Amino acid sequence: EVQLVESGGGLVQPGESLRLSCVASGFTFSRFWMSWVRQSPGKGLEWLGNINQDGSEKYFVDSVKGRFTISRDNAKDSLYLQMHSLRADDTGVYYCARDLQNWVVTFDTWGQGAQVTVSS
Amino acid sequence: EIVMTQSPATLSVSPGERATLSCRASQSVSSHLAWYQQKPGQAPRLLIHSASTRATGIPARFSGSGSGTDFTLTITSLQSEDFAVYFCQQYNNWPPITFGPGTKVEMK
Repeated sequence: EVQLVESGGGLVQPGESLRLSCVASGFTFSRFWMSWVRQSPGKGLEWLGNINQDGSEKYFVDSVKGRFTISRDNAKDSLYLQMHSLRADDTGVYYCARDLQNWVVTFDTWGQGAQVTVSS
Repeated sequence: EIVMTQSPATLSVSPGERATLSCRASQSVSSHLAWYQQKPGQAPRLLIHSASTRATGIPARFSGSGSGTDFTLTITSLQSEDFAVYFCQQYNNWPPITFGPGTKVEMK
């Protein structure tokens, strides 16, 4: 079964950092672009960024550029989202997702989501 | 950034009826448009990509149409499990990828 499982969410204070992890199974992780998407009541679904198969290409939405970074470890079938300088409006459910094909950034597999709450 | 809008915000439909959902892009996205279904407490599920191609395992009662800026998702003969929120998403001009705000399909 193709599966993505996120971990690392939680409650943090504004200005703090947090790293989310996503472990893939059931498919050859190293063959796929991967994305992070978050969902919040105020902003709906928001694509945060993606990374290519070997990690040499990464793209981000402007709202997180310079604060968030994406990395991967293909030996561990794992994707990461490192978040710095967190703000209240970063609160939401964070999903990792598999891109359908190279350069076809639509998502055919999603994780169950990790809740991130930024509050003092 | 391409802005996606969806209408209506809420659609009340009886089981067995047809549901027609609309999505509009602020500029042309060619056929690079996807539809997702999301139920409470679950992640979105890909229904349609390339405007009209059903994803793996999606029933034939779901169909997509359109190109350019105007798109439609049609659900024929609505089943009880189809009551959910539906999102459109463009992937023609990125970054960023952008989603619509969603249409909630509720039971009439």
